[in-house]
Amino acid sequence: GAGVSQSPSNKVTEKGKDVELRCDPISGHTALYWYRQSLGQGLEFLIYFQGNSAPDKSGLPSDRFSAERTGGSVSTLTIQRTQQEDSAVYLCASSLVGLAETQYFGPGTRLLVL
Amino acid sequence: GDSVTQMEGPVTLSEEAFLTINCTYTATGYPSLFWYVQYPGEGLQLLLKATKADDKGSNKGFEATYRKETTSFHLEKGSVQVSDSAVYFCALSGGSNYKLTFGKGTLLTVNP
Repeated sequence: GAGVSQSPSNKVTEKGKDVELRCDPISGHTALYWYRQSLGQGLEFLIYFQGNSAPDKSGLPSDRFSAERTGGSVSTLTIQRTQQEDSAVYLCASSLVGLAETQYFGPGTRLLVL
Repeated sequence: GDSVTQMEGPVTLSEEAFLTINCTYTATGYPSLFWYVQYPGEGLQLLLKATKADDKGSNKGFEATYRKETTSFHLEKGSVQVSDSAVYFCALSGGSNYKLTFGKGTLLTVNP
């Protein structure tokens, strides 16, 4: 079946602009996660959705970052007033709910802020 | 909070050599443990997992055993191939939200 998809695959933007990153999880997966992968920080957790609710936003680095999920499916991560330090690969993962459940990752969106 | 420490490498081996990548963790409760792999130009994919103490996860000739007494989950393979060249991430999932906490990753290069 279809895996997790993300769009765009690459995004180049200018400092100060807003960007939106999209994630389509695997159908039926109620849990959705956003992570960020950067050279300096490795893989970092950003936010977790259970259905349309986000009970854990503890990884969002600043109030410029926000995310929503609608219909228990598609999620959008928005970064306002982008900064150069936001440059990274943003990864989305989805899973069934449970401690032992495997998270399936999308291919990521590579963001470059000039 | 939860944390994962793994040898950062890079690790360079010849084909058919034995591989060990060390991973230790700190967590409250009883986490699940994972190894993910990222092949060049590809996304993260699960390699193997173990969900309780003494469980052994295995896949594609790789193995790792969940050792609660030493809080470790070392990855091993008896004979590596060139196609195993990739970045390997150790991770744990714990707490009520099941988010993954990753190690820094280990770059493995296997030469023919």
